[in-house]
Amino acid sequence: GENVEQHPSTLSVQEGDSAVIKCTYSDSASNYFPWYKQELGKRPQLIIDIRSNVGEKKDQRIAVTLNKTAKHFSLHITETQPEDSAVYFCAAHLGRLYFGRGTQLTVWP
Amino acid sequence: DSGVTQTPKHLITATGQRVTLRCSPRSGDLSVYWYQQSLDQGLQFLIQYYNGEERAKGNILERFSAQQFPDLHSELNLSSLELGDSALYFCASSVLEGAAETQYFGPGTRLLVL
Repeated sequence: GENVEQHPSTLSVQEGDSAVIKCTYSDSASNYFPWYKQELGKRPQLIIDIRSNVGEKKDQRIAVTLNKTAKHFSLHITETQPEDSAVYFCAAHLGRLYFGRGTQLTVWP
Repeated sequence: DSGVTQTPKHLITATGQRVTLRCSPRSGDLSVYWYQQSLDQGLQFLIQYYNGEERAKGNILERFSAQQFPDLHSELNLSSLELGDSALYFCASSVLEGAAETQYFGPGTRLLVL
C-alpha cells in the first residue's frame, strides 16, 4: 500500500501569517491528493484537492502544490484567521485513500 | 451537510458488549468506507465495501465486522468491546470503487466503552 508522512504534527501561527503543511508519499502511482479539515468533534471536510496531472491549485486563501518527482505535496494557507484552527489531514489515493497523521493548526488572534 | 448519515450519534456501553453502527451513503454513492479515530489520533482505515461486496481491509480487528446491504447502507458491528475501542467511528462514501475521487464523511458515531 501507500505510506503518507505529514509534517509538522502541530503548528502555531499568528493571525494574518501564512501556514504550510507538508506531506510525502511513497508510491509514484498515487494520482489524487485531497486535504481535509477537521474541527473538534466534527467530520473531516474536504477543503481542496489536486490530481497528479496538475502542479498547483488555488482556492481563495488556500493552495496546494504537488511535486510528483519528489513525491510530496503541500497545503498553503495565507492570511490565516482564528477559524482556520483545526486538524488538517492530507491523503494520497492508491486504490483507496491513505491518510497522513494530521496537523493541529492553531491560529492566535 | 455531506449527505452521508450515521446513527447513532453517541453510544455508551460496557465492556464485553456488542454494538452496531449504521451508515447511509450519499444518494448514488456505491462505495462505503469505515474509519476509526481514537483520541488525538489520525483516521485509521477499517474496511471498504462497494455495491455490497468487501473490497479492502485495513487494521480491522477480528472482533469487528461489517456489511453493506442491497439498499447500500452499511453496518459496522463491534463485539466483545474493550475500553480501547472507545473512539469516533466515521463512515465515508464515494461514487466509484478505487477511483481517484473525493470521499465524503458522515458526522460520526462517538462510542464510549465503560
